Amino acid sequence: LAKTTQPISMDSYEGQEVNITCSHNNIATNDYITWYQQFPSQGPRFIIQGYKTKVTNEVASLFIPADRKSSTLSLPRVSLSDTAVYYCLVGDRGFQKLVFGTGTRLLVSP
Amino acid sequence: DVKVTQSSRYLVKRTGEKVFLECVQDMDHENMFWYRQDPGLGLRLIYFSYDVKMKEKGDIPEGYSVSREKKERFSLILESASTNQTSMYLCASSPYSRDRRGDTQYFGPGTRLTVL
Repeated sequence: LAKTTQPISMDSYEGQEVNITCSHNNIATNDYITWYQQFPSQGPRFIIQGYKTKVTNEVASLFIPADRKSSTLSLPRVSLSDTAVYYCLVGDRGFQKLVFGTGTRLLVSP
Repeated sequence: DVKVTQSSRYLVKRTGEKVFLECVQDMDHENMFWYRQDPGLGLRLIYFSYDVKMKEKGDIPEGYSVSREKKERFSLILESASTNQTSMYLCASSPYSRDRRGDTQYFGPGTRLTVL
């Protein structure tokens, strides 16, 4: 199983760029990297997914180096509403099975 | 719009009771999942199903069973609830992915179960 390691928590201020790095040393060739966001009392919500290099959507960017042993979620100009837990996941070899870690708790302050 | 619903947001049961948690998705997804979430432990996969009447054990299946008689419905069953099963239970679904990559999972709002 490809496990992930992320910081437990991060603090930021409104308007700053936040980068959350995830380690996944045992990532397999066919695995994709996916990030989810979870607000209190809600289920996780998909943010972004990538396989290599860089992926960008309207919410975030995902940077993946050539060795794919880590990835960085970048949130541009965060707001208070970005306060949430962010999970990095790597697709397991099992059918559609994803492995959630403990996530990174991001706190955005005014 | 994508929708996964769970039968209850909050549930209180007594030790030894049989508990049913229901999940319904309206996206015609093949795959469905049950997770539990506990402080400091993140989400842990209990069971998943990739087709009607099919099921696979996740990381922590002990004390649970599941049922999938229809494509849109996936039930989690606690045969004899215990206090250590007090938790937040999350259901999710995802479409079939031919290349087996980790595809987007759509989560329900969760059921907070308390076993007294």
